[in-house]
Amino acid sequence: QAGLTQPPSVSQGLRQTATLTCTGNSNNVGDQGAAWLQQHQGHPPKLLSYRNNNRPSGISERLSASRSGNTASLIITGLQPEDEADYYCSAWDSSLSAWVFGGGTKLTVL
Amino acid sequence: QVQLVESGGGVVQPGGSLRLSCAASAFTFSSYAMHWVRQAPGEGLEWVAFIQYDGRKEKYANSVKGRFTISRDNSRNTLYLQMSSLRAEDTAVYYCAREGPYGDFRGAFDIWGQGTMVTVSS
Repeated sequence: QAGLTQPPSVSQGLRQTATLTCTGNSNNVGDQGAAWLQQHQGHPPKLLSYRNNNRPSGISERLSASRSGNTASLIITGLQPEDEADYYCSAWDSSLSAWVFGGGTKLTVL
Repeated sequence: QVQLVESGGGVVQPGGSLRLSCAASAFTFSSYAMHWVRQAPGEGLEWVAFIQYDGRKEKYANSVKGRFTISRDNSRNTLYLQMSSLRAEDTAVYYCAREGPYGDFRGAFDIWGQGTMVTVSS
């Protein structure tokens, strides 16, 4: 099953802003939008946002998400060392009748 | 607190079988759809299987269809994954995950277990 496309890595400086992207098609991201997950090494994923820019309780306001057409974005402002992690997007694909993930982006905070 | 705890992982030979369990606590398990998601060593996340809150609907990734079966026992607050005809490429950490309570939005896995490792090797 085809997945979503994410850049393998993004690097940005401390206290700077990082933008992570996730590209799909009209059957997944372009339809209902995407969710974003954060995963630190050796830990399970953690939900950061859903339906483009809704944050579960407890998620930092430094994180925001958006969507433009078939591409979803996660914006992290004021980067901190603890933001260094792998980030995944996920979506329901109505054509495949399946859930799909992006390949993940490794965020490095310089 | 809301928790999912997987068990049942281990080392199995190619062609063998294994059953994973996922025990849920501190939420109304019978009200939520559930998933299994796996992650091969050093790789990304791969959705494996879905089961509706009442167990009446299941979906599978093409890579496991016909070999894996997802089920649940709402009286025991437990999710299962029966895996058979296992292959080396099934080697991964297997997570159970809850489908978030976000209306008609699908694809937000809001609670995850710690995962259980399955290694398929001779």
